[in-house]
Amino acid sequence: AQSVTQLDSQVPVFEEAPVELRCNYSSSVSVYLFWYVQYPNQGLQLLLKYLSGSTLVESINGFEAEFNKSQTSFHLRKPSVHISDTAEYFCAVSNQGGSEKLVFGKGTKLTVNP
Amino acid sequence: AAGVIQSPRHLIKEKRETATLKCYPIPRHDTVYWYQQGPGQDPQFLISFYEKMQSDKGSIPDRFSAQQFSDYHSELNMSSLELGDSALYFCASSRILAGVYEQYFGPGTRLTVT
Repeated sequence: AQSVTQLDSQVPVFEEAPVELRCNYSSSVSVYLFWYVQYPNQGLQLLLKYLSGSTLVESINGFEAEFNKSQTSFHLRKPSVHISDTAEYFCAVSNQGGSEKLVFGKGTKLTVNP
Repeated sequence: AAGVIQSPRHLIKEKRETATLKCYPIPRHDTVYWYQQGPGQDPQFLISFYEKMQSDKGSIPDRFSAQQFSDYHSELNMSSLELGDSALYFCASSRILAGVYEQYFGPGTRLTVT
C-alpha cells in the first residue's frame, strides 16, 4: 500500500519570500508523483508531475519539485511567492503501470500575506 | 482545451434519498476515476473505469454504484443517503493507452445531505 505524508498542514509566508512544501511517500513499487493545487471552492488543478527522466520538474508559474528516490521525497518549492499562490496544495502518488488511483497527502494550506 | 465536465455542480438531498452524479471525461480519455473529498479532508478514491470496465475499487460504500457508458461518460449512483455523505465528489480522467498518466479533475459536485 502507498502513503503520502505532507509534513506541514499550514504554511504562512510573506509575499516575495521563498517557500518549500514538503512531501514524503511510501511505496513498495515504482510510482508517479504529482502536485495538485486547489483554490477555495474550486477543483483540483495539476501543478506538476514526475513520471520519469529528469528528477527536477517545473511548472509554468514558477513552482518546481525534485524527485529524490533515496529520500522518497517530492518537495515543492518556489523562490518568490505571490498572494495569488494562496491555496491548498496536495501531493499525490500513483503506481506506475497504468490506470492507477491517486493516493493523496492531507494537504498543505499555503497562505501568502502582504 | 476541453475539460472534465461534472453535473450537477451542487445537489441538496435529504437523508435516505438517492442521488446521481454525472461525469463527462475529456474527449479521447479512456479512464475515469471518482473521488470523495469531505470537509477539510484530502480526496479519497472511490472507483475507476478503464474502457468501460471497472478497473479498481476503493473505499466506496455498498450503497454507491457506478458505471461507465459506451460514450465514456460515467455516473455515480448513491442510495440511502446519510449525513456523512455530504462532500465534494470529483471525477477525473486520463488517457492510459496514450501514456497520459496524469489525471485531470472536473470542478466537482458538492453534495449536501440534510
